[in-house]
Amino acid sequence: QVQLQESGPGLVKPSQTLSLTCTVSGGSISSGDYYWSWIRQPPGKGLEWIGYIYYSGSTYYNPSLKSRVTISVDTSKNQFSLKLSSVTAADTAVYYCARVPIGGYCSGGSCYWFDPWGQGTLVTVSS
Amino acid sequence: EIVLTQSPGTLSLSPGERATLSCRASQSVSSSYLAWYQQKPGQAPRLLIYGASSRATGIPDRFSGSGSGTDFTLTISRLEPEDFAVYYCQQYGSSSLFTFGPGTKVDIK
Repeated sequence: QVQLQESGPGLVKPSQTLSLTCTVSGGSISSGDYYWSWIRQPPGKGLEWIGYIYYSGSTYYNPSLKSRVTISVDTSKNQFSLKLSSVTAADTAVYYCARVPIGGYCSGGSCYWFDPWGQGTLVTVSS
Repeated sequence: EIVLTQSPGTLSLSPGERATLSCRASQSVSSSYLAWYQQKPGQAPRLLIYGASSRATGIPDRFSGSGSGTDFTLTISRLEPEDFAVYYCQQYGSSSLFTFGPGTKVDIK
């Protein structure tokens, strides 16, 4: 059973770069049947998709965040990471990582959902 | 970008009652790419339904999804105490974008 776990600083100063890592266990991040994604949720608000990465390193980002986001993958560590630059208080949120089925799932009829999710990590932007 | 609208914003019901949640898209969505999630306070969202109508592993059969095009529905046939939560719909569509609806809160009447 695949599990995902986010890690990283819980407090980031304004204008600095937020950095988080998602560690995948119970399965290989190099499986060609999945994207690996980041999603965030400001306190008391809804869900916002940030972006995804394929094991090969190809990425796609939410246009609203694209200029500040970088997602990378380290297949040797079975991890993928998020960097969000020039953060402000508006970036305060719980950040989740999640797996997205593609490829063979799409051939089977449906795909592009998020499952499983990590437990989430709260990142507060404050001086 | 496809915008998802969920209604109602809050649904107040009693255990045992039927809950009907709506998700409407600003343009047509492939049923293959429409999912529903349940989120309880302090927890990550949990996948309930994928492909508009397929239940995820371990999801009770009181949860069902339906719809096509721009209108999708999540139905909980008989609410159990553990079903009171926030529910989100999500789609994947044009320009390789994922979007979520704003959520429907199902609370105890």
